[in-house]
Amino acid sequence: EAGVTQFPSHSVIEKGQTVTLRCDPISGHDNLYWYRRVMGKEIKFLLHFVKESKQDESGMPNNRFLAERTGGTYSTLKVQPAELEDSGVYFCASSRQGPNRAFFGQGTRLTVV
Amino acid sequence: GESVGLHLPTLSVQEGDNSIINCAYSNSASDYFIWYKQESGKGPQFIIDIRSNMDKRQGQRVTVLLNKTVKHLSLQIAATQPGDSAVYFCAPSPRDNFNKFYFGSGTKLNVKP
Repeated sequence: EAGVTQFPSHSVIEKGQTVTLRCDPISGHDNLYWYRRVMGKEIKFLLHFVKESKQDESGMPNNRFLAERTGGTYSTLKVQPAELEDSGVYFCASSRQGPNRAFFGQGTRLTVV
Repeated sequence: GESVGLHLPTLSVQEGDNSIINCAYSNSASDYFIWYKQESGKGPQFIIDIRSNMDKRQGQRVTVLLNKTVKHLSLQIAATQPGDSAVYFCAPSPRDNFNKFYFGSGTKLNVKP
């Protein structure tokens, strides 16, 4: 079974630019999550999709962040315009329905300079 | 929301010794708990989970203990190996949303040869 894959693995952009992160969940997993870890702090929840619907986006920091999951397959997380404090590692995870382990991707390290 | 804290940011153990990583959570409605291990450059990996109707669960070389009275979890690793060096997170999820996990800042386990 292929795991959760994220692209790119590392992105360096200038402040004010736009970056789009992509996540391909495990096939058949309806749940898709975005998390991020900034400044070596705790991993924080951003949002949760069930298929193509946003179930919970309470963790999105502000309106510079936009997540989509068209067709209920892969998801993108766009940051526009990026700020310095957006630097960190962005993780995507997926799981089947119900109380179940979530499988994480390797993360995208975003550096805003 | 949920507040998750680990008692120690760093734990150093000798190879072959047993490790105990502790975690406290604040939400008494937390019903499902997962321990994740994150190695450098990788996403969190599932280790073991436990539901709130249990107080102990064993896996291969790992045991999780749950004390709901004091809202405390521990992860015990037997015969710690160098490959166990990583950051460990406990992630509770609430009864009303099994698909949302809250991570603390993690405990970094250093295994000394």
